[in-house]
This record gives sequence, C-alpha cells and structure tokens, in this order.
Amino acid sequence: RKEVEQDPGPFNVPEGATVAFNCTYSNSASQSFFWYRQDCRKEPKLLMSVYSSGNEDGRFTAQLNRASQYISLLIRDSKLSDSATYLCVLTHQTGANNLFFGTGTRLTVIP
Amino acid sequence: DAGVIQSPRHEVTEMGQEVTLRCKPISGHDYLFWYRQTMMRGLELLIYFNNNVPIDDSGMPEDRFSAKMPNASFSTLKIQPSEPRDSAVYFCASRWGGASRPEAFFGQGTRLTVV
Repeated sequence: RKEVEQDPGPFNVPEGATVAFNCTYSNSASQSFFWYRQDCRKEPKLLMSVYSSGNEDGRFTAQLNRASQYISLLIRDSKLSDSATYLCVLTHQTGANNLFFGTGTRLTVIP
Repeated sequence: DAGVIQSPRHEVTEMGQEVTLRCKPISGHDYLFWYRQTMMRGLELLIYFNNNVPIDDSGMPEDRFSAKMPNASFSTLKIQPSEPRDSAVYFCASRWGGASRPEAFFGQGTRLTVV
C-alpha cells in the first residue's frame, strides 16, 4: 500500500467555487503533514503545513484527521491562479527522515 | 539565500552517455534529497543525505545511478550509461533537520531527455 494516496483528478471548477481535496496515509506513525503546490513545469513549493488543530491561511484551510488518517485542503473563492497540482506530503518523524509525496491532485479553475 | 540551485536546467543526451546532475543546497540545511518525477510515477525519492552521508538509497533504480555529496554545499547525481527510460525531471531538495521546520525546499529541476 502506498504511503500517501490522492485522487489525481482533474478537478475542473469555475472561478469563485469552493473545492476540497483529501489525501489518505497508511502509516499511523506519520508526524508532519504538508500541502505543496506544483505549477506546470515548475518545482513543488510549500503551500502550507497542516497542524493537528487545523489551520487557515487566507482562502486555504488545511485539516488533519488522525483517527481516519487523512488530511484535507479546502480552497474557497477559487482564483484562476489556483490552477496547479496539489501534493500531499508527510514525514514519519519530525526533524528526521524523508518526505513522502502523494502523486498530486490536478486543479483547473475555469473562467 | 538563493535557494536550492540545480544545473543544468535542461539536458539532452544520447543513450549510453554519462549524465551528471548538480545541486547546491540551501546553506545550513543538513538534509539533501534527490527526486525523479515522471507523469506515470509522480515524485520518487532516489536517495537522501544527512550531513553529507547517504542515509537511504533504496530508491536508486539501478547500479547505473550513483550520487555523491563531497561537502555540505554540493551534490551530484550521475547516470552511466543513460537510457531513454531515464528521461524525467530530476529535483534536488534540501531541508533543515530541526523539528520546527521539517519542510523541504526544491530546486528548479533538471529536465533530462535521453534519445
């Protein structure tokens, strides 16, 4: 079983819509969680960390559900510039070990 | 800081040739990662170093692949001989080992095409 699983999409949503992505993970010892964003032909960049209590950064809200072993990303009021691939990422131990990446969910925001 | 720097940005080579990819991590970061990305397989970890020492190379696909980190500011990934199936984008990433900032920062990648 893969460490991290994501729905590859694509998600095509109109501008202004709210869209949510989920990501499930297999290792209950996973410690740190992130959402990365990758634009076409660019490198992945950190979008936001995911904290146990949930956290918000402007139009973006990330949540963690340890009991069900999933994390989510909610984007409100989608902009054209939100079009990208969103990667779910985790580590097994804080401060050590490697990062495990999901294959990404592709989002296209349509005018 | 200039971020993680990779070179070259693009490489086109003929099958059988040796290819060397280079990476300069962010100063002060003690973890360095090499990833390969393809449409079919997504981002795959090839190898990572901690304080210049290879920790896990289980993702290196074959003996044709080798990686070194002679010092804290430089790493190479070498493919010899290269094959068309090695065509991919190769990313280098680095991170600080402290618990408070575990996120990794990526270079812009090297797009490798083997013909």
